[in-house]
Amino acid sequence: LAKTTQPISMDSYEGQEVNITCSHNNIATNDYITWYQQFPSQGPRFIIQGYKTKVTNEVASLFIPADRKSSTLSLPRVSLSDTAVYYCLVGDGGNTPLVFGKGTRLSVIA
Amino acid sequence: DSGVTQTPKHLITATGQRVTLRCSPRSGDLSVYWYQQSLDQGLQFLIQYYNGEERAKGNILERFSAQQFPDLHSELNLSSLELGDSALYFCASRGRDRDGYTFGSGTRLTVV
Repeated sequence: LAKTTQPISMDSYEGQEVNITCSHNNIATNDYITWYQQFPSQGPRFIIQGYKTKVTNEVASLFIPADRKSSTLSLPRVSLSDTAVYYCLVGDGGNTPLVFGKGTRLSVIA
Repeated sequence: DSGVTQTPKHLITATGQRVTLRCSPRSGDLSVYWYQQSLDQGLQFLIQYYNGEERAKGNILERFSAQQFPDLHSELNLSSLELGDSALYFCASRGRDRDGYTFGSGTRLTVV
């Protein structure tokens, strides 16, 4: 599995756009990039998944450059309820189970 | 409600005891995954089942075992419990390949 590197923590004020970047230098051709969100004492929740360029859903956008060695999760206009840990994972979506790293702890401040 | 049901939500037991955690996956999902999350630790993958068969094993202790039944629900058995086994245990299910995992709300195990 491609290893990922992301910041340990980030702070943001309410209403701001937050961008969390993840590095995955040895991503394989068949790998997808997936982001999960986890609130304290809850199971992770799937946010978004992409292979290349840009993916957008009602929650976030995912930007993937042409070389796919990194990706950026963009959360528009965050609120206090977006305070959580965000995990970046890379895998081919096949039989290999997801391996979660430490994630990025996002704190949104009023 | 994610569609993945885990019971019980909380469990307090003594060292040396044995417990069983139960997981019902989303309707139609054949894959079930078990994860352990201790304080200040990330999510550690334990074991995966697919349609009743073990598919992958992670950092699962020999004292732990799991199975998936014909109705696709899964059970994680933890025996000879130690204080260090205190953690949140999550179950996740998945439908097709490349689908995201859907996690349950977890079982919080406290060993005293």
